[in-house]
Amino acid sequence: AQSVTQLGSHVSVSEGALVLLRCNYSSSVPPYLFWYVQYPNQGLQLLLKYTTGATLVKGINGFEAEFKKSETSFHLTKPSAHMSDAAEYFCAVSDREGGSYIPTFGRGTSLIVHP
Amino acid sequence: NAGVTQTPKFQVLKTGQSMTLQCAQDMNHNSMYWYRQDPGMGLRLIYYSASEGTTDKGEVPNGYNVSRLNKREFSLRLESAAPSQTSVYFCASSVTYTGELFFGEGSRLTVL
Repeated sequence: AQSVTQLGSHVSVSEGALVLLRCNYSSSVPPYLFWYVQYPNQGLQLLLKYTTGATLVKGINGFEAEFKKSETSFHLTKPSAHMSDAAEYFCAVSDREGGSYIPTFGRGTSLIVHP
Repeated sequence: NAGVTQTPKFQVLKTGQSMTLQCAQDMNHNSMYWYRQDPGMGLRLIYYSASEGTTDKGEVPNGYNVSRLNKREFSLRLESAAPSQTSVYFCASSVTYTGELFFGEGSRLTVL
């Protein structure tokens, strides 16, 4: 069975600082990996995804993530935080166990950006 | 494009009352899902429908029923609401075999 662990329920950074949100997964087969962002009182929207190919993937709003199979990780980074990045971020894993790709989500990390 | 539309956006129920959350998508996706979101718990899958005519239980199905009415619509029913079902509910859809989800804006349900 697949699972996702997001380290840190809250991450606080200063505006302009590096953003690093950690995600580790477990999966018995090659996974698809996703990061979603949720702004207050909204649904989730896709930031970026890894399916196959290049292990460094770029997403919207300057975010990127690197798939590291040996570390079973898919950490999300952004070189310089902006106030508008304050939101909840969810890592998700999906694999074809059982014949269908059913995503499993981590518990989320709240990103706080200080002026 | 509307994407995924959920109704109602807010609902207050008394314990024991029933209600149905409606969800419709206009992206011609095969798969649809219902998740609940609770503080510190992330999103937990209640039920999903991999294709029209099929439904399957997710992680937390107790107290819920679903209907895949057609390819566009997937409803979630609470037959006898309990305070533990107070939550934000999200409907999502996806193209089968990708796992990439498209979410509605959520339905906030309070059970008193």
